[in-house]
Amino acid sequence: GAVVSQHPSWVICKSGTSVKIECRSLDFQATTMFWYRQFPKQSLMLMATSNEGSKATYEQGVEKDKFLINHASLTLSTLTVTSAHPEDSSFYICSARVGQGTSEAFFGQGTRLTVV
Amino acid sequence: RKEVEQDPGPFNVPEGATVAFNCTYSNSASQSFFWYRQDCRKEPKLLMSVYSSGNEDGRFTAQLNRASQYISLLIRDSKLSDSATYLCVVRGGADGLTFGKGTHLIIQP
Repeated sequence: GAVVSQHPSWVICKSGTSVKIECRSLDFQATTMFWYRQFPKQSLMLMATSNEGSKATYEQGVEKDKFLINHASLTLSTLTVTSAHPEDSSFYICSARVGQGTSEAFFGQGTRLTVV
Repeated sequence: RKEVEQDPGPFNVPEGATVAFNCTYSNSASQSFFWYRQDCRKEPKLLMSVYSSGNEDGRFTAQLNRASQYISLLIRDSKLSDSATYLCVVRGGADGLTFGKGTHLIIQP
């Protein structure tokens, strides 16, 4: 299947700093990528939809100024957690689909963020 | 009411047994349905899509009941390697997926 690569796999940062997470589609072009967050023992929650060449669409309750999304090319979307706080510690996962409709979503490996 | 509801378990099942999970969804406009598997601290991976007519993939059988907004997954002859969290996933009109919290399955030798 298609490959989505996400980096870094884990990161520990200090409160107040910013962290950038990259999501790349390696063997296909993804006009749309999705960013999810998963807290321990919780379901994956969609944070935002990243659209190539345009602004991201954020889900209700997700601060767009805190979680900056840039989708500058058809193979790369980045999520920057700005001024991170301990409550931002979570598992962040990106996904992309090949085509539209009912096609499968492929996930990156996820990034475990710990803010200390 | 949560959009996608699953029994979180854990389900402790002996190896070789048959186990079934259920899931209900609230959005009647949902268009696509999936079961994903997630191992601890890993990304979800697609197990199978779920079709209205029901579908089978080896030891796994998925069923969808649109009238009751209900999805099921049946695992026959369970293996130790089946131990994981099984996520019921629904796609509505938008592209993003809505995940259930997952059902934790433990296969015991």
